[in-house]
Amino acid sequence: NAGVTQTPKFQVLKTGQSMTLQCAQDMNHNSMYWYRQDPGMGLRLIYYSASEGTTDKGEVPNGYNVSRLNKREFSLRLESAAPSQTSVYFCASSEKATSSYEQYFGPGTRLTVT
Amino acid sequence: KQEVTQIPAALSVPEGENLVLNCSFTDSAIYNLQWFRQDPGKGLTSLLLIQSSQREQTSGRLNASLDKSSGRSTLYIAASQPGDSATYLCAVDPNTGFQKLVFGTGTRLLVSP
Repeated sequence: NAGVTQTPKFQVLKTGQSMTLQCAQDMNHNSMYWYRQDPGMGLRLIYYSASEGTTDKGEVPNGYNVSRLNKREFSLRLESAAPSQTSVYFCASSEKATSSYEQYFGPGTRLTVT
Repeated sequence: KQEVTQIPAALSVPEGENLVLNCSFTDSAIYNLQWFRQDPGKGLTSLLLIQSSQREQTSGRLNASLDKSSGRSTLYIAASQPGDSATYLCAVDPNTGFQKLVFGTGTRLLVSP
């Protein structure tokens, strides 16, 4: 029972490089989310996808793009990485149709931009 | 704008002690509130979710309460154990229809044997 998986676990980029963070869930959830976690700031929502084919901005979307490839997969792309994007990135999913509507999180990707 | 605050930022207790973690939020118009546990270098694990219409939820040694009108929630941990050492985060769903959670910065708990 994998739940939410993320790849890679760690990544080091140079300023200006691009990369895509991958996320997949096997719980048949409609909604998926990308957060970043910085020391002293808690988790902040970058983008979310309420259902397959839809995406929308969260609190801190600048410098990022997302793709909801299908119901299972939701990727986050950094087109031109900046040191300010050094953070831990978490993907999550949830299903409003369930009575609990909990969010389930992946293990995270630690990204360092030098 | 919804803001979530958790006090204290860190807490150290001896094993066996009962303890309370606090979470406050500025806008009472929430859909639900969720408590998470985060171990160092790991993702978040959901502990308890309280719907806005509920007053409390219990799971084992954990009890979470919600007072929506005053913008407060508490997480009570009974008979703490070293394995409870982790960071505890609360998050509110501000009822936008899209579960765009707003997180507190967490309470780092250390339970000593």
